[in-house]
Amino acid sequence: EVQLVESGGGLVQPGRSLRLSCAASGFTLKNYGMHWVRQAPGKGLEWVSGINDNSGAVGYADSVKGRFTISRDNAKNSLYLQMNSLRTEDTALYYCTKVYQAQLPFDAFDLWGQGTMVTVSS
Amino acid sequence: IQLTQSPSSLSASVGDRVTITCRASQGISSYLAWYQQKPGKAPKLLIYAASTLQSGVPSRFSGSGSGTEFTLTISSLQPEDFATYYCQQVIAYPLTFGGGTKVEIK
Repeated sequence: EVQLVESGGGLVQPGRSLRLSCAASGFTLKNYGMHWVRQAPGKGLEWVSGINDNSGAVGYADSVKGRFTISRDNAKNSLYLQMNSLRTEDTALYYCTKVYQAQLPFDAFDLWGQGTMVTVSS
Repeated sequence: IQLTQSPSSLSASVGDRVTITCRASQGISSYLAWYQQKPGKAPKLLIYAASTLQSGVPSRFSGSGSGTEFTLTISSLQPEDFATYYCQQVIAYPLTFGGGTKVEIK
């Protein structure tokens, strides 16, 4: 089955760090750009970060630039998001997503995980 | 690039024709996607490249537009279509989503 499964979310204090993981199955991760999208409770979708197939190009939303780092391990079919200096406004459900077309750094997202919740609170 | 969706919400009846608009702050050619999200679920891709229907999506959904103005049309609203819809530009970082349009039952 083609799927993405996120993990690593939880409750964390402001200023601390958290690392999210996304495990891909049913397709070859190394061929696709991958992204993280978040959704705060009751709010809309916010793109967070993306990485192309060979990790040569990455992008970040202004709201997380300098604090979050996206990476991937194609050998492990996995995507990661290292989140440092967390703020209360980072509280959200974090989705891992796959780009539709192979070899493109970004395109429509045709596969989404179910998300992992991150709560930043003291 | 900012995306402005309108309306932010609408009430419609089963069988109605529904149109949602997405305006970009600058030209994005046809690099636009539409998603449907139901409560408690991940978003689902409906349309990419502004007008191409994703495999498995019913033909009552259609997309049009290029440059700065785009529309998502549902030709005959079905009970399972009540959801929130988002547009997304995929031409350049940072990628952005519109604010969403919630389609509710009248």
